[in-house]
Amino acid sequence: DAGITQSPRHKVTETGTPVTLRCHQTENHRYMYWYRQDPGHGLRLIHYSYGVKDTDKGEVSDGYSVSRSKTEDFLLTLESATSSQTSVYFCATRTSGGTNEQFFGPGTRLTVL
Amino acid sequence: QKEVEQNSGPLSVPEGAIASLNCTYSDRGSQSFFWYRQYSGKSPELIMSIYSNGDKEDGRFTAQLNKASQYVSLLIRDSQPSDSATYLCAVKRSGGGADGLTFGKGTHLIIQP
Repeated sequence: DAGITQSPRHKVTETGTPVTLRCHQTENHRYMYWYRQDPGHGLRLIHYSYGVKDTDKGEVSDGYSVSRSKTEDFLLTLESATSSQTSVYFCATRTSGGTNEQFFGPGTRLTVL
Repeated sequence: QKEVEQNSGPLSVPEGAIASLNCTYSDRGSQSFFWYRQYSGKSPELIMSIYSNGDKEDGRFTAQLNKASQYVSLLIRDSQPSDSATYLCAVKRSGGGADGLTFGKGTHLIIQP
């Protein structure tokens, strides 16, 4: 929904390596979010962006950084991946209207060995 | 820590019956509430949003909100096997500078043919 794509869709990497996940949207939505989903924890907010170059931390931001250089792209970087960051990562977007409805991308399954 | 609680299930309902899913939340400042459906291996899909006390109906789905009791529910009428999925309750984070959604861990719903 909302023309959201994520890349890569699957990735296997090793502990200590840097990883960047990309979220791309074609809806010109102002707000973008990164969540991770783990069994027993549900979806948890990592970081979000409220405009180009404007980002803030969510509830599980340690070990992650983000960047947003243009409206359509929101990047999530794991500077040095750890096994605890093995998860499914979802990007979401919403408009700047009052509904607060978020629409999710297809997800990226990341495995850190 | 602001929380959203759901019964994890599984909740088993016969085809054609009404499925009732419940959710409680701890953040009294929350004003926006959402139900997402998630099929196994897929991303969350928004099915209902509700902002005011009372009922909101959309096709076979009815969302109910009681802010005084901090309680949100979702009713699915004439349940179909295709309704079998995990249903996620989400609450918009409140407070200065806060954004994003807080999710419950989800209720696994099984519709028995």
